[in-house]
Amino acid sequence: EIVLTQSPATLSLSPGERATLSCRASQSVNSFLAWYQQKPGQAPRLLIYDASDRATGIPARFSGSGSGTDFTLSISSLEPEDFAVYYCQQRSNWPRTFGQGTKLEIK
Amino acid sequence: EVQLLDSGGGLVQPGGSLRLSCAASGFTFSSYAMSWVRQAPGKGLEWVSSISGGGSTTYYADSVKGRFTISKDKSKNTLYLHMNSLRAEDTAVYYCAKADRISSSYYFDFWGQGTLVTVSS
Repeated sequence: EIVLTQSPATLSLSPGERATLSCRASQSVNSFLAWYQQKPGQAPRLLIYDASDRATGIPARFSGSGSGTDFTLSISSLEPEDFAVYYCQQRSNWPRTFGQGTKLEIK
Repeated sequence: EVQLLDSGGGLVQPGGSLRLSCAASGFTFSSYAMSWVRQAPGKGLEWVSSISGGGSTTYYADSVKGRFTISKDKSKNTLYLHMNSLRAEDTAVYYCAKADRISSSYYFDFWGQGTLVTVSS
């Protein structure tokens, strides 16, 4: 099973600042990694797929990078609605696995 | 517009059974793989099971293998998760999710609203 480790567990930033979230895989997943955003009481929303492609309707301030085992989700200038929990997920191997999440909170 | 409507959750005793349903609309149900993902209270996301578009291929997490069965009724555009021998650790919100592409390898682009399963005596 591929283990995805996200860091930091919690990130405290202010609106307008840049956020950088990390996801590290226990073995290479090539570029087969996605990022999801989840707000309280809501289902997750797909943000980024295949490491760097934005899903339909996702603002350009969200970007993804990386390949192999190290991946990054960046949010260029935080909007109030961006404060949420973010998960990475791999589709390289079965079982599909998620990271444990990074909570992005308002400082 | 893609819509996924989860239902069937509730309170069940340990060792009991439950069937979850996910009514799908807005896309060609028989073409896309579907999955169940769960989230225990206050915890992260855990993939549970997936089924191919045609329904012939299924995958399960080790934690549910042999106890849960995923299926599709293409005539009703409905996904199911039959859960047997339920344990306290199965307590979670269960989401159905649609594959983002017609492929055997995919992400989850649309999700249901979730249905809560509570296993307790």
